[in-house]
Amino acid sequence: AQSVTQLDSQVPVFEEAPVELRCNYSSSVSVYLFWYVQYPNQGLQLLLKYLSGSTLVESINGFEAEFNKSQTSFHLRKPSVHISDTAEYFCAVRPSLRGGADGLTFGKGTHLIIQP
Amino acid sequence: DTAVSQTPKYLVTQMGNDKSIKCEQNLGHDTMYWYKQDSKKFLKIMFSYNNKELIINETVPNRFSPKSPDKAHLNLHINSLELGDSAVYFCASRQGAGTEAFFGQGTRLTVV
Repeated sequence: AQSVTQLDSQVPVFEEAPVELRCNYSSSVSVYLFWYVQYPNQGLQLLLKYLSGSTLVESINGFEAEFNKSQTSFHLRKPSVHISDTAEYFCAVRPSLRGGADGLTFGKGTHLIIQP
Repeated sequence: DTAVSQTPKYLVTQMGNDKSIKCEQNLGHDTMYWYKQDSKKFLKIMFSYNNKELIINETVPNRFSPKSPDKAHLNLHINSLELGDSAVYFCASRQGAGTEAFFGQGTRLTVV
Protein backbone atom coordinates (compact mmCIF):
# COMPACT_ATOMS: atom_id res chain seq x y z
CA ALA A 1 0.00 0.00 0.00
CA GLN A 2 1.06 3.58 -0.55
CA SER A 3 0.47 6.79 1.37
CA VAL A 4 1.17 10.42 0.55
CA THR A 5 1.64 13.22 3.05
CA GLN A 6 1.32 16.87 2.18
CA LEU A 7 2.30 18.59 5.39
CA ASP A 8 0.84 22.00 4.60
CA SER A 9 -2.90 22.27 4.03
CA GLN A 10 -2.59 25.94 3.12
CA VAL A 11 0.34 28.07 1.97
CA PRO A 12 -0.05 31.86 1.64
CA VAL A 13 2.61 33.56 -0.48
CA PHE A 14 3.05 37.05 -1.83
CA GLU A 15 2.99 37.51 -5.58
CA GLU A 16 6.43 37.12 -7.22
CA ALA A 17 7.82 35.35 -4.15
CA PRO A 18 9.17 31.79 -4.31
CA VAL A 19 7.16 28.85 -3.00
CA GLU A 20 7.73 25.23 -2.04
CA LEU A 21 4.91 22.74 -1.52
CA ARG A 22 6.07 19.67 0.34
CA CYS A 23 5.19 16.07 -0.46
CA ASN A 24 6.44 12.90 1.19
CA TYR A 25 5.36 9.40 0.35
CA SER A 26 5.56 5.91 1.74
CA SER A 27 5.50 2.77 -0.39
CA SER A 28 6.77 -0.80 -0.24
CA VAL A 29 7.18 -0.80 -4.05
CA SER A 30 8.63 1.62 -6.58
CA VAL A 31 6.25 4.36 -7.58
CA TYR A 32 5.67 6.98 -10.20
CA LEU A 33 5.08 10.45 -8.75
CA PHE A 34 2.75 13.19 -9.93
CA TRP A 35 1.65 16.68 -9.10
CA TYR A 36 -1.85 17.68 -10.16
CA VAL A 37 -3.42 21.15 -9.93
CA GLN A 38 -7.10 21.86 -9.40
CA TYR A 39 -8.42 25.34 -10.10
CA PRO A 40 -11.74 26.31 -8.45
CA ASN A 41 -14.69 24.25 -9.70
CA GLN A 42 -12.56 22.42 -12.23
CA GLY A 43 -11.09 18.97 -12.70
CA LEU A 44 -7.50 17.95 -12.08
CA GLN A 45 -4.78 18.83 -14.54
CA LEU A 46 -1.37 17.21 -14.59
CA LEU A 47 1.36 19.66 -13.62
CA LEU A 48 4.37 17.35 -13.84
CA LYS A 49 5.41 13.77 -13.33
CA TYR A 50 8.45 11.70 -12.41
CA LEU A 51 8.70 8.30 -14.04
CA SER A 52 12.45 7.67 -14.27
CA GLY A 53 15.70 9.35 -15.27
CA SER A 54 16.58 12.86 -14.15
CA THR A 55 15.26 13.50 -10.67
CA LEU A 56 14.42 17.12 -11.51
CA VAL A 57 11.30 17.55 -13.61
CA GLU A 58 9.85 20.78 -14.92
CA SER A 59 6.50 22.01 -16.13
CA ILE A 60 5.83 24.49 -18.90
CA ASN A 61 4.55 27.15 -16.50
CA GLY A 62 7.64 27.45 -14.32
CA PHE A 63 7.04 24.79 -11.68
CA GLU A 64 9.62 22.12 -10.93
CA ALA A 65 9.81 19.15 -8.61
CA GLU A 66 12.71 17.04 -7.44
CA PHE A 67 12.45 13.35 -6.63
CA ASN A 68 14.54 12.43 -3.60
CA LYS A 69 14.51 8.68 -3.12
CA SER A 70 16.40 8.64 0.19
CA GLN A 71 14.00 11.13 1.73
CA THR A 72 10.98 9.74 -0.15
CA SER A 73 10.03 13.27 -1.13
CA PHE A 74 8.78 15.02 -4.27
CA HIS A 75 8.56 18.70 -3.31
CA LEU A 76 7.11 21.21 -5.77
CA ARG A 77 8.77 24.59 -6.24
CA LYS A 78 8.32 27.76 -8.22
CA PRO A 79 10.79 30.68 -8.06
CA SER A 80 8.19 33.40 -8.61
CA VAL A 81 4.45 32.88 -8.25
CA HIS A 82 1.62 34.69 -10.00
CA ILE A 83 -1.95 35.38 -8.93
CA SER A 84 -3.10 32.80 -11.47
CA ASP A 85 -1.23 30.07 -9.54
CA THR A 86 -3.88 30.22 -6.81
CA ALA A 87 -5.26 26.68 -6.75
CA GLU A 88 -5.27 23.37 -4.90
CA TYR A 89 -2.19 21.23 -5.54
CA PHE A 90 -2.22 17.46 -5.11
CA CYS A 91 0.74 15.14 -4.90
CA ALA A 92 0.02 11.55 -5.98
CA VAL A 93 1.79 8.22 -6.47
CA ARG A 94 1.11 5.05 -8.40
CA PRO A 95 3.02 1.72 -8.33
CA SER A 96 5.46 1.50 -11.22
CA LEU A 97 6.34 -2.17 -11.34
CA ARG A 98 2.89 -3.65 -11.55
CA GLY A 99 0.97 -3.40 -14.76
CA GLY A 100 -2.75 -3.23 -14.96
CA ALA A 101 -5.02 -0.55 -13.70
CA ASP A 102 -3.59 0.70 -10.42
CA GLY A 103 -5.06 4.03 -9.46
CA LEU A 104 -3.48 7.07 -7.89
CA THR A 105 -3.02 7.53 -4.16
CA PHE A 106 -3.38 11.21 -3.39
CA GLY A 107 -2.19 13.47 -0.61
CA LYS A 108 -4.74 15.70 1.08
CA GLY A 109 -3.82 18.68 -1.05
CA THR A 110 -2.22 22.07 -0.41
CA HIS A 111 -4.16 25.22 -1.06
CA LEU A 112 -1.78 27.80 -2.53
CA ILE A 113 -2.99 31.33 -1.88
CA ILE A 114 -1.23 34.14 -3.71
CA GLN A 115 -1.49 37.52 -2.03
CA PRO A 116 -1.03 40.71 -4.08
CA ASP B 1 -12.82 18.01 -28.27
CA THR B 2 -13.06 17.28 -24.53
CA ALA B 3 -10.86 14.29 -23.69
CA VAL B 4 -12.81 13.01 -20.68
CA SER B 5 -16.36 14.27 -20.33
CA GLN B 6 -18.84 13.67 -17.54
CA THR B 7 -22.54 14.36 -17.37
CA PRO B 8 -24.18 15.90 -15.54
CA LYS B 9 -21.88 18.51 -14.04
CA TYR B 10 -24.25 19.16 -11.14
CA LEU B 11 -26.76 16.76 -9.62
CA VAL B 12 -29.08 17.58 -6.73
CA THR B 13 -31.34 14.81 -5.53
CA GLN B 14 -33.22 13.56 -2.50
CA MET B 15 -32.17 10.82 -0.13
CA GLY B 16 -33.27 7.40 -1.26
CA ASN B 17 -33.24 8.20 -4.97
CA ASP B 18 -31.24 6.33 -7.61
CA LYS B 19 -29.01 8.32 -9.95
CA SER B 20 -26.39 7.77 -12.65
CA ILE B 21 -23.33 9.70 -13.75
CA LYS B 22 -21.98 9.13 -17.24
CA CYS B 23 -18.37 9.30 -18.39
CA GLU B 24 -16.93 9.12 -21.87
CA GLN B 25 -13.33 9.41 -23.05
CA ASN B 26 -12.23 9.95 -26.65
CA LEU B 27 -8.54 9.25 -26.02
CA GLY B 28 -8.63 5.57 -26.92
CA HIS B 29 -7.48 4.63 -23.41
CA ASP B 30 -7.93 1.11 -22.04
CA THR B 31 -8.20 2.02 -18.36
CA MET B 32 -10.86 4.15 -16.72
CA TYR B 33 -11.46 5.16 -13.11
CA TRP B 34 -13.92 6.72 -10.74
CA TYR B 35 -12.61 8.88 -7.89
CA LYS B 36 -14.52 10.56 -5.08
CA GLN B 37 -13.52 13.96 -3.70
CA ASP B 38 -15.07 14.72 -0.32
CA SER B 39 -15.91 18.06 1.24
CA LYS B 40 -12.34 18.42 2.50
CA LYS B 41 -11.09 17.90 -1.06
CA PHE B 42 -9.59 14.50 -0.28
CA LEU B 43 -9.48 12.30 -3.39
CA LYS B 44 -9.87 8.55 -3.17
CA ILE B 45 -10.15 5.94 -5.87
CA MET B 46 -13.42 4.04 -6.04
CA PHE B 47 -13.18 1.81 -9.10
CA SER B 48 -10.79 0.91 -11.86
CA TYR B 49 -11.72 -0.74 -15.16
CA ASN B 50 -9.35 -2.14 -17.76
CA ASN B 51 -10.81 -3.09 -21.14
CA LYS B 52 -14.34 -3.15 -19.66
CA GLU B 53 -13.25 -5.46 -16.83
CA LEU B 54 -13.48 -4.39 -13.18
CA ILE B 55 -9.99 -4.40 -11.65
CA ILE B 56 -10.26 -2.39 -8.44
CA ASN B 57 -13.17 -1.91 -6.07
CA GLU B 58 -11.91 0.05 -3.11
CA THR B 59 -14.32 -0.85 -0.29
CA VAL B 60 -17.13 1.08 -1.88
CA PRO B 61 -20.68 0.26 -0.68
CA ASN B 62 -22.48 -2.03 -3.08
CA ARG B 63 -25.04 0.73 -3.64
CA PHE B 64 -22.44 2.01 -6.11
CA SER B 65 -22.32 0.00 -9.31
CA PRO B 66 -20.04 0.93 -12.20
CA LYS B 67 -20.88 -0.23 -15.68
CA SER B 68 -18.65 -0.16 -18.73
CA PRO B 69 -20.59 -0.83 -21.95
CA ASP B 70 -17.42 -0.33 -24.01
CA LYS B 71 -13.84 0.86 -23.58
CA ALA B 72 -14.78 4.50 -24.03
CA HIS B 73 -17.52 4.65 -21.40
CA LEU B 74 -17.65 4.07 -17.66
CA ASN B 75 -20.90 5.00 -15.95
CA LEU B 76 -21.57 5.12 -12.23
CA HIS B 77 -24.98 4.16 -10.88
CA ILE B 78 -25.84 4.89 -7.27
CA ASN B 79 -28.83 3.32 -5.52
CA SER B 80 -30.60 4.57 -2.40
CA LEU B 81 -28.61 7.77 -2.14
CA GLU B 82 -27.50 8.89 1.32
CA LEU B 83 -26.46 12.29 2.65
CA GLY B 84 -22.88 11.04 2.94
CA ASP B 85 -22.73 10.40 -0.79
CA SER B 86 -22.60 14.15 -1.37
CA ALA B 87 -19.22 14.78 -3.02
CA VAL B 88 -17.58 15.54 -6.33
CA TYR B 89 -17.10 12.45 -8.46
CA PHE B 90 -14.32 12.41 -11.03
CA CYS B 91 -13.90 10.09 -13.96
CA ALA B 92 -10.38 9.55 -15.32
CA SER B 93 -8.65 7.49 -17.98
CA ARG B 94 -5.13 6.30 -18.71
CA GLN B 95 -3.25 4.30 -21.31
CA GLY B 96 -0.14 2.31 -20.58
CA ALA B 97 2.04 1.83 -17.53
CA GLY B 98 4.14 4.97 -17.52
CA THR B 99 1.47 7.49 -18.25
CA GLU B 100 -0.59 9.98 -16.35
CA ALA B 101 -4.34 9.90 -15.83
CA PHE B 102 -6.59 12.43 -17.55
CA PHE B 103 -9.49 13.68 -15.47
CA GLY B 104 -12.96 14.85 -16.34
CA GLN B 105 -14.40 18.09 -14.96
CA GLY B 106 -16.23 16.32 -12.16
CA THR B 107 -19.86 15.85 -11.14
CA ARG B 108 -20.93 17.62 -7.97
CA LEU B 109 -23.55 15.42 -6.32
CA THR B 110 -25.65 16.95 -3.55
CA VAL B 111 -28.03 14.72 -1.63
CA VAL B 112 -30.68 16.57 0.36
